[in-house]
Formats: sequence, C-alpha cells, structure tokens
Amino acid sequence: KAGVTQTPRYLIKTRGQQVTLSCSPISGHRSVSWYQQTPGQGLQFLFEYFSETQRNKGNFPGRFSGRQFSNSRSEMNVSTLELGDSALYLCASSLDGGGSVSGVNSPLHFGNGTRLTVT
Amino acid sequence: QQPVQSPQAVILREGEDAVINCSSSKALYSVHWYRQKHGEAPVFLMILLKGGEQMRHEKISASFNEKKQQSSLYLTASQLSYSGTYFCGSPTSGTYKYIFGTGTRLKVLA
Repeated sequence: KAGVTQTPRYLIKTRGQQVTLSCSPISGHRSVSWYQQTPGQGLQFLFEYFSETQRNKGNFPGRFSGRQFSNSRSEMNVSTLELGDSALYLCASSLDGGGSVSGVNSPLHFGNGTRLTVT
Repeated sequence: QQPVQSPQAVILREGEDAVINCSSSKALYSVHWYRQKHGEAPVFLMILLKGGEQMRHEKISASFNEKKQQSSLYLTASQLSYSGTYFCGSPTSGTYKYIFGTGTRLKVLA
C-alpha cells in the first residue's frame, strides 16, 4: 500500500507570497490532517478534513487554509507569508480521524513533509 | 494544552533501558506513541486504549493509566535504531483535534 505523499519536499518563498502544499493520503483513508512542526513549538495541529469537510481547526491565523477533494487528496494554503511560517509542514492520514467516537483508535500515518523556508 | 513529556532528552548506551512519560491535564481517551528520526516523518509505534492491555512493539512497551491521565513508554535493551524523538499523541473526543506531547529526544550511543 502506498504511503502518504506530500509535495513539494522543499519550498523557498519570500515574505508576502503565498504557497500551496499538497497531500495524497493512503488509499481508503478519508481523514487528512495537517501539522506545523518547529523546533520551538513542536507539532501543532492546523486542521483536519474528512469527506471534504473541515471538522476542526487549530489556533492559527486565517492566512492558513485548506481543502479536501472528493478523492481525499488535500491542499493547504498559506497566504501573505511571514518569516515565522518557516517550518516543516506534515500531513497525516487516518481511516476516520482522531477525535471522533469511532476514530479514537485510528493512528496517524504521516507523509515526509514539506520544508518551507520564508526569507 | 499539549501533554507534557519527560524527560525532554535522554542519552543512553546500547543495551540500557529508558522510560518516557506523557502526562496530560485533560482526559485522554487513548494514547498513541510515535517515533520521529531526524529528517523523517513521525512513525506510529503503538496505541494504548482505556482499560486495554499494555502494548509492545519489539522491545518497546507502553502503559496507560487513564485515571492519572498518564502514559509511559518503556525502552528495554535499547538499540542504536531507537534514536529519535518520541511523541505521545491523543485524539480529543468530539473535537476531531489531535494533540501531541512536547516530545522526548532520545539518543543511543554505541
């Protein structure tokens, strides 16, 4: 079974630009969640999608947005980039998402991430 | 608030044992443990359920005390391949939000 695929692996952008990251989940997984990983803040939850619906969003500004398509693939967009957005962005898929009654046992399977550098 | 892990970092010699703790101020419904090697994505190790048995993955085992809202990861006879950062993670019931612990960096030396 193919794993979670994230593209691109590396991105270098300048302040004020916007960026779109892509994630293809494991086949059959309907939940896709996104995380920001930085040395100082660790792994921080951005948002989670299930069947094209955003079910929850973390404490990030509105510049961070996402969507999920009918084939469960997901994209994350960051507009008006700031230096502090430099991080590793990880996407994870699971059968039915953490947090739901049925999903409480579903672990996350991560992609290799996109390393975003904002200059 | 994210669960707090202790210790923050630990260095071991091959063959030594270690314990990593994960403590939450909120109720945990289940606990997952992940290991992330440098430059790689986190990899799922095991899941602990409320009222469930202690789980094992190779020579790594874990326990979950839902009353104390704590989980512990036990690494026995550590190997070089155990080096990495360990995270506990937990889904939060009803919110579809997943939270990770603060992480523990583990380095095993030959």
